[in-house]
Amino acid sequence: EVQLVESGGGLIQPGGSLRLSCAASGFTVSSNYMSWVRQAPGKGLEWVSVIYSGGSTYYADSVKGRFTISRDNSKNTLYLQMNSLRAEDTAVYYCARVVSVAGWFDPWGQGTLVTVSS
Amino acid sequence: SYVLTQPPSVSVAPGKTARITCGGNNIGSKSVHWYQQKPGQAPVLVIYYDSDRPSGIPERFSGSNSGNTATLTISRVEAGDEADYYCQVWDSSSDHPGVVFGGGTKLTVL
Repeated sequence: EVQLVESGGGLIQPGGSLRLSCAASGFTVSSNYMSWVRQAPGKGLEWVSVIYSGGSTYYADSVKGRFTISRDNSKNTLYLQMNSLRAEDTAVYYCARVVSVAGWFDPWGQGTLVTVSS
Repeated sequence: SYVLTQPPSVSVAPGKTARITCGGNNIGSKSVHWYQQKPGQAPVLVIYYDSDRPSGIPERFSGSNSGNTATLTISRVEAGDEADYYCQVWDSSSDHPGVVFGGGTKLTVL
């Protein structure tokens, strides 16, 4: 079964750092495009970042320079390192596999909540 | 940057047809994907490549895309279809690719 399981969320003070993990099963992370998408409380979906199978990475302007997407091939796991966190980064963070060129997200993880507050 | 516009809400009676639009500049030249999200759950893909249905998604769900508007159509609406729906495209108009989601449409079954 193809599955993604996120972890690492929690309460963090403004300016702090947090690393999210996304463990994959049923497929190989390094052979796929993988992405992070977030959803602030009561709001819509916002794309955060993508890593291509070749290793290229791209970010939304709102997180560029603060967040870093990466993967560990030996652990078949995707990561999101989040630095200089702000209150507006508070959201549920989902990881998802990108299927095909100009493609869709499937599957999605269950999400992990990040709360940035003092 | 590319913008996708969805109506905030659509209401429909059970058994009727719901149409949720997603507007964007020349969106017909892009591939549009649609997701259903129920409260407290992760999004689920319901339509990909404008009009293809993943396995397990009822035939009542269909999609189209032309000109400046993509449309998700749900026929014979059921109570269980009540959810938020999001459209999604890839934007390659700048020097780096990115993903754009519409603002979401809340479907209410009356």
